Amino acid sequence: AQSVTQLDSQVPVFEEAPVELRCNYSSSVSVYLFWYVQYPNQGLQLLLKYLSGSTLVKGINGFEAEFNKSQTSFHLRKPSVHISDTAEYFCAVLSYNTDKLIFGTGTRLQVFP
Amino acid sequence: EPEVTQTPSHQVTQMGQEVILRCVPISNHLYFYWYRQILGQKVEFLVSFYNNEISEKSEIFDDQFSVERPDGSNFTLKIRSTKLEDSAMYFCASSTGTGANQPQHFGDGTRLSIL
Repeated sequence: AQSVTQLDSQVPVFEEAPVELRCNYSSSVSVYLFWYVQYPNQGLQLLLKYLSGSTLVKGINGFEAEFNKSQTSFHLRKPSVHISDTAEYFCAVLSYNTDKLIFGTGTRLQVFP
Repeated sequence: EPEVTQTPSHQVTQMGQEVILRCVPISNHLYFYWYRQILGQKVEFLVSFYNNEISEKSEIFDDQFSVERPDGSNFTLKIRSTKLEDSAMYFCASSTGTGANQPQHFGDGTRLSIL
C-alpha cells in the first residue's frame, strides 16, 4: 500500500520569499510522484510530475520539485513566491499498476504582502 | 483549454435521499474517475471507469454508490441513500489513458451537503 505525508498543514510566507513544501511517501512498489494545486473554489490542477530521469523537475508557475529516493521525499520549492500562489498544495503518488492517485492531506500556502 | 465541468457546484440533500452528481469529461478522454474530499481531510479515490465498466474502486465505494456514462458526454455518480458522512467535495477527473504520462484532469468539484 502507498501513503503520502505532508508534514506542514499550513505554511505562511511573505511575498518574494522562498518556500519549500514537504512531502514524504511510503510505497512497497515504484511510484510516480505529483504535485497538484487547488486555488480557492477551483479543482485540482497539475503543477508537476516525476516519472523517471532527472530528479529535479520543473513545473508551471515557477515551481520545481526534487525527488529523493533514499529519503522517499518529493519536496516542492519556489525561489520567490507571489500573492497569487496562495492556495492548497497536494502531493500525490501513483503506483505502476493502478490509476488510483493517493493524496496527502495538503499544505495551505498563505502568501502575505 | 478543454476542461472537466461538474454540476451542480453545490448540492444540498436530505439524509436518505438519492443524489446524482454530474460531470462532463474532456471530450477525447476515455478514462473517468471520482474522488472525494471530506472537509479537512485528504482527497480520496472512489472509482475509475473505462469502456462502460468500473476498472477499480475503493472500499468507500460500497453498494450505495454507482457510476454511469448515460450518453457520450456525461459521467455521473449516484449515491442511493445519502448519509451525513457523505457530505464532502466530490471531484470528477478524466484522462486520455492510464499511467502517469496521461495525467488526470480534474473538475472544480461539487460540494455535497447532507442535512
